[in-house]
Amino acid sequence: GAGVSQSPSNKVTEKGKDVELRCDPISGHTALYWYRQRLGQGLEFLIYFQGNSAPDKSGLPSDRFSAERTGESVSTLTIQRTQQEDSAVYLCASSLAAGLNQPQHFGDGTRLSIL
Amino acid sequence: SQQGEEDPQALSIQEGENATMNCSYKTSINNLQWYRQNSGRGLVHLILIRSNEREKHSGRLRVTLDTSKKSSSLLITASRAADTASYFCATGTGANSKLTFGKGITLSVRP
Repeated sequence: GAGVSQSPSNKVTEKGKDVELRCDPISGHTALYWYRQRLGQGLEFLIYFQGNSAPDKSGLPSDRFSAERTGESVSTLTIQRTQQEDSAVYLCASSLAAGLNQPQHFGDGTRLSIL
Repeated sequence: SQQGEEDPQALSIQEGENATMNCSYKTSINNLQWYRQNSGRGLVHLILIRSNEREKHSGRLRVTLDTSKKSSSLLITASRAADTASYFCATGTGANSKLTFGKGITLSVRP
């Protein structure tokens, strides 16, 4: 079956522009997670959704970052007025439920480069 | 902040040898998970061990968990060149399966 799909795979944009990153989770997965991975680093948690609600937004680095999820399916992560420090790979993951002891299934990420 | 700290940061071995990677963490956990990441790709889940388990096997993988020492190890036996990747431990805490990842270990397996 299809895995987690992210688009675009690469995005290059100028500082100050807004960008929108998309994640299509595995069908039937109710939990969806966004992470940021800087070069050579581990993953930083950004936000998680249970259904269309976001109970934990604690990882969003600033108010320039926002995310939404609709239809308990697709999610978009929006970064407004991008800065060079936003350059990173943004990874999305989904899991069957946001309960205990659930593995997460990752997409290949969107590599974002801010010029 | 990063909860899991992997050790070593990089490991280079010959094909056929065993690879042992360690992870330490700071707070109490529900579970600990190991993931693999090939260059330019997303993470692939390898194995999950719950806080009340001490050892788990999956194919050539063996994971141990010592909650008293807040540490885990991942052993890959009879390594192959295709095992070359970055390996991350992640700890699950709370009720929402939020994972906290370490910085990863770069494993190189020489053919």
